[in-house]
Amino acid sequence: NAGVMQNPRHLVRRRGQEARLRCSPMKGHSHVYWYRQLPEEGLKFMVYLQKENIIDESGMPKERFSAEFPKEGPSILRIQQVVRGDSAAYFCASSPGQGRNEKLFFGSGTQLSVL
Amino acid sequence: KQEVTQIPAALSVPEGENLVLNCSFTDSAIYNLQWFRQDPGKGLTSLLLIQSSQREQTSGRLNASLDKSSGRSTLYIAASQPGDSATYLCAVGGLGTDKLIFGTGTRLQVFP
Repeated sequence: NAGVMQNPRHLVRRRGQEARLRCSPMKGHSHVYWYRQLPEEGLKFMVYLQKENIIDESGMPKERFSAEFPKEGPSILRIQQVVRGDSAAYFCASSPGQGRNEKLFFGSGTQLSVL
Repeated sequence: KQEVTQIPAALSVPEGENLVLNCSFTDSAIYNLQWFRQDPGKGLTSLLLIQSSQREQTSGRLNASLDKSSGRSTLYIAASQPGDSATYLCAVGGLGTDKLIFGTGTRLQVFP
């Protein structure tokens, strides 16, 4: 049973380009969470999705960021017109049910560098 | 607003020592508390999850306690080993929310 798979591991973009980060949850998991870790800061919640639904996006910046978790395929975190401040490690986590009493399983993250 | 603090920020100990990592949180209205381990360049591994009604959880050489009223949790590592070297993160889940609030972690180094 493969763990949470994130790709790419490293992504380099120039300012103004788009970044697409992918997350495949563990088999049987239908709940996906995205977190961002800025340099020297703790992980910050961004968004919580179930299949085809956004449950909580209270941590998402209002502009340029979007997330989806389609019926088929991985969850995608999309950042349009990236800026240097978007440089961070983006982690995806999954759980089989609602996360409150479920352990979260994290992927290895995508390190985004904006030049 | 929930804030999670971890002390110390970094810790270096010789192999074999028993050690305690501390986590404090400002809002006691939590659903659970989790301890994670993060290795460089890798994701997080869940170590222990304590529900708000519980006082402690144990897994092997690890023991985590929770005192919700005082807003504190400790992670006790017995007989530390070099393989325990990593960053340890504490995270709390609040009532009525599915997101975790993380501390900034304690970076542990265990030397032979």
